[in-house]
Amino acid sequence: GAGVSQSPSNKVTEKGKDVELRCDPISGHTALYWYRQSLGQGLEFLIYFQGNSAPDKSGLPSDRFSAERTGGSVSTLTIQRTQQEDSAVYLCASSLGGSGNTIYFGEGSWLTVV
Amino acid sequence: AQSVTQPDIHITVSEGASLELRCNYSYGATPYLFWYVQSPGQGLQLLLKYFSGDTLVQGIKGFEAEFKRSQSSFNLRKPSVHWSDAAEYFCAVVVAGNKLTFGGGTRVLVKP
Repeated sequence: GAGVSQSPSNKVTEKGKDVELRCDPISGHTALYWYRQSLGQGLEFLIYFQGNSAPDKSGLPSDRFSAERTGGSVSTLTIQRTQQEDSAVYLCASSLGGSGNTIYFGEGSWLTVV
Repeated sequence: AQSVTQPDIHITVSEGASLELRCNYSYGATPYLFWYVQSPGQGLQLLLKYFSGDTLVQGIKGFEAEFKRSQSSFNLRKPSVHWSDAAEYFCAVVVAGNKLTFGGGTRVLVKP
């Protein structure tokens, strides 16, 4: 597609369940990012993939959060044993990589943990 | 600590009036600077960016921003706002590794 695609767009899950959020970056983009947007916390960096390099996981809030990027393209963000404080919008973004290239965002996956 | 500050959480402006959104950053060197807009229920859309050169940058939707090194600022302006400009605006910087660090955002309300 033309832009960054995320699925599901909305997800309601019960506390304690695992969830997977998917991101399809723009074709040819080597860099992929996950951000979280929540009330009171603003936009937080979670994880960054660049090509075949080891991902920068410095923003993951706990070991319940993990992400993979298969084949240098699609990425999945997994949250295990969800908690209510995980409720947020999870935004995926991609770019051509390298400092200064424009980072394009998807519309986000809205996660509600009840 | 390195940070991006948007001092105004909310701004209300009348349609047709001018708009200025403030952004300050605290980094040792000049970072790459961005402004993004987020309409309700939407993702982030890039308005403009500054890397180097001319300190007045033109963007989409009639927006411009001016980089002032002496003030560590990158304020966003629009001469005449439209009702469709009601949204949340985020200033962001890239310092290392192409990771964006965002300010807290400014929500703009447009009065008819």
